[in-house]
Amino acid sequence: AQSVAQPEDQVNVAEGNPLTVKCTYSVSGNPYLFWYVQYPNRGLQFLLKYITGDNLVKGSYGFEAEFNKSQTSFHLKKPSALVSDSALYFCAVRDYGGATNKLIFGTGTLLAVQP
Amino acid sequence: NAGVTQTPKFRVLKTGQSMTLLCAQDMNHEYMYWYRQDPGMGLRLIHYSVGEGTTAKGEVPDGYNVSRLKKQNFLLGLESAAPSQTSVYFCASSFGQDRGYNEQFFGPGTRLTVL
Repeated sequence: AQSVAQPEDQVNVAEGNPLTVKCTYSVSGNPYLFWYVQYPNRGLQFLLKYITGDNLVKGSYGFEAEFNKSQTSFHLKKPSALVSDSALYFCAVRDYGGATNKLIFGTGTLLAVQP
Repeated sequence: NAGVTQTPKFRVLKTGQSMTLLCAQDMNHEYMYWYRQDPGMGLRLIHYSVGEGTTAKGEVPDGYNVSRLKKQNFLLGLESAAPSQTSVYFCASSFGQDRGYNEQFFGPGTRLTVL
């Protein structure tokens, strides 16, 4: 069965420093991976996805993610964190069970950026 | 475009009461989904639909029913609410499999409390 794991419940980083939010996955075939962000009392917003091609994927708001097949990871990164990046981040993998485009989500990582 | 909208935004129910949550999308998406979000558990799929007139069970379907009578609408019903159904409910939609591996677009959520 497909799954994703976000090993950190919370990540703390100072404004201006680089940030990384970790995600590892387990799939039986080629992985299709997504990152979403959720601001307080809001729905999830799509940040970026990896389907195929370059291992470094660029997304919204200056975020990027690095796909590493050997380590089965898809870590979210940003070179310089902003206080406004503080939010809950979810990694997701597409479920292979039928033509449904279902996503399996991790439990989320709370990013706190201190000024 | 409004994207994905959800009605209502908040609701408080007593145990045993029933209610319907409405999701509407104006992006001509084929697929629609209902999730619940609980602390520490990420998002879990309740039911989904791959087209008008079709529905299927997700990961946590018990106690919920759904209907997709029109392509743009996806209704989630609670026939007899229980305190365990206190949660934040999110609706999402996406293009179908024929359009590739697509991200899901989320609504703003409905916060439901069952007393």
